[in-house]
Amino acid sequence: DAMVIQNPRYQVTQFGKPVTLSCSQTLNHNVMYWYQQKSSQAPKLLFHYYDKDFNNEADTPDNFQSRRPNTSFCFLDIRSPGLGDAAMYLCATSRDRDGPEQFFGPGTRLTVL
Amino acid sequence: AQSVAQPEDQVNVAEGNPLTVKCTYSVSGNPYLFWYVQYPNRGLQFLLKYITGDNLVKGSYGFEAEFNKSQTSFHLKKPSALVSDSALYFCAVRDSGRGSTLGRLYFGRGTQLTVWP
Repeated sequence: DAMVIQNPRYQVTQFGKPVTLSCSQTLNHNVMYWYQQKSSQAPKLLFHYYDKDFNNEADTPDNFQSRRPNTSFCFLDIRSPGLGDAAMYLCATSRDRDGPEQFFGPGTRLTVL
Repeated sequence: AQSVAQPEDQVNVAEGNPLTVKCTYSVSGNPYLFWYVQYPNRGLQFLLKYITGDNLVKGSYGFEAEFNKSQTSFHLKKPSALVSDSALYFCAVRDSGRGSTLGRLYFGRGTQLTVWP
C-alpha cells in the first residue's frame, strides 16, 4: 500500500545533541510537510517542500532545518534540541499544492533529556 | 485569512447514541474543509473532505459531515457512536490562495471525543 513512513517512531536525545528525523513516501507526491505537535494541541506547520522548493514558516526557529534529497525522502534536523522541542513530529504529503488532502505519517515522538 | 474554530474541547457521549463534533470556519474564497482523527501516539488519519457538491459528505468509519454555507459550519456527525471512536478530532480548512501558502492546512485546536460504554 502507498503510504507515508516515519522513522524512528520514538526518539530520545540529550539536550543540545543534534537529531535527525526521517520521512519517506511511496505516494510520489510533490509536496512534503513537517509539523510539530505538542500534547493535545493542533499540529503546527514548520516548513514544506514543493518539489525541491523549500518554504519555511516565518515563526519556525533556526534550530530546525530540513532536507529533501529526492522525491521520496525528507529529513527534519534539529541542530540543538532544547527541552521545549519535545513533541510529536508529523510528516505529511499531498499530491500537489491543490492536493487537496494531506496524508500523514504515524509521527515520531521526540523526548529531550 | 483562513481559520477554524472548534468550540468544544471535549465531547462525551454514550455508546450507541448519536454524536456531533462542531466546527465553524472563516475563509476567503471557496472553502475546502477536512476532518482528521488522531489516536494516542499516532499520526492524523483523514476522515472526510468537502470540496464541492453535496452538502452532506460521507467518510470513513461511518462518519459524515454537513457543510452549511450560511452558518459557515462543517459539523462532524455519526448516528451511533462506538467506544472505539474515542479519539482527538481535528477540523481543518485549506488555504486556496496563491503562491507558497496554497495548500496549507489551518487546524482547529481539536476536540477530544470520549464514548462511554
